[in-house]
Amino acid sequence: AQSVTQLGSHVSVSEGALVLLRCNYSSSVPPYLFWYVQYPNQGLQLLLKYTSAATLVKGINGFEAEFKKSETSFHLTKPSAHMSDAAEYFCAVSPLGFGNEKLTFGTGTRLTIIP
Amino acid sequence: NAGVTQTPKFRILKIGQSMTLQCAQDMNHNYMYWYRQDPGMGLKLIYYSVGAGITDKGEVPNGYNVSRSTTEDFPLRLELAAPSQTSVYFCASSYPGQGEAEAFFGQGTRLTVV
Repeated sequence: AQSVTQLGSHVSVSEGALVLLRCNYSSSVPPYLFWYVQYPNQGLQLLLKYTSAATLVKGINGFEAEFKKSETSFHLTKPSAHMSDAAEYFCAVSPLGFGNEKLTFGTGTRLTIIP
Repeated sequence: NAGVTQTPKFRILKIGQSMTLQCAQDMNHNYMYWYRQDPGMGLKLIYYSVGAGITDKGEVPNGYNVSRSTTEDFPLRLELAAPSQTSVYFCASSYPGQGEAEAFFGQGTRLTVV
């Protein structure tokens, strides 16, 4: 079964500092990978996704993620944190050849921005 | 463009009561899903549907039922509410449903069973 591990349930960074949220997946075959963001009292929305077209994926709001097969990782980064980035971030994996019913979410990382 | 709409936003139920969580989408998506979100646990799939008249169980279906009579609507039914069903419930949809498709989420229903 596919799974994702998000290291760090809580991450705090200062405004303007680098944001790094970690995600590792378990799969012998590179799957589809996603990062979703959840703002307070909202549903999830897609930040970016990897579908094998390019290993460096750019998303909304200045976020990007790099797929590294050798490390089975898909870490999310943003060069300069903004107060509006405070939210919970979920990494998710979907195996090749299946529908969205196989989408598996990580346990989430809550990002706090320090003024 | 409303997207995925869930009602109600909040609900308190007593043990043993029943209720239906409503979900509607206006994007003509064939795939729809119900998830529950518990603190520190991520999202778990309860049920999903690949089209009108077709539903299937997800990871945590016990205590829930669903129906899909139209493309737009996918209600989730709790027959005998239990404290373990206290959670935030999210409905989502996607098109066409392949693994790389983006899922669109509603704003959630916060349910407390007392």
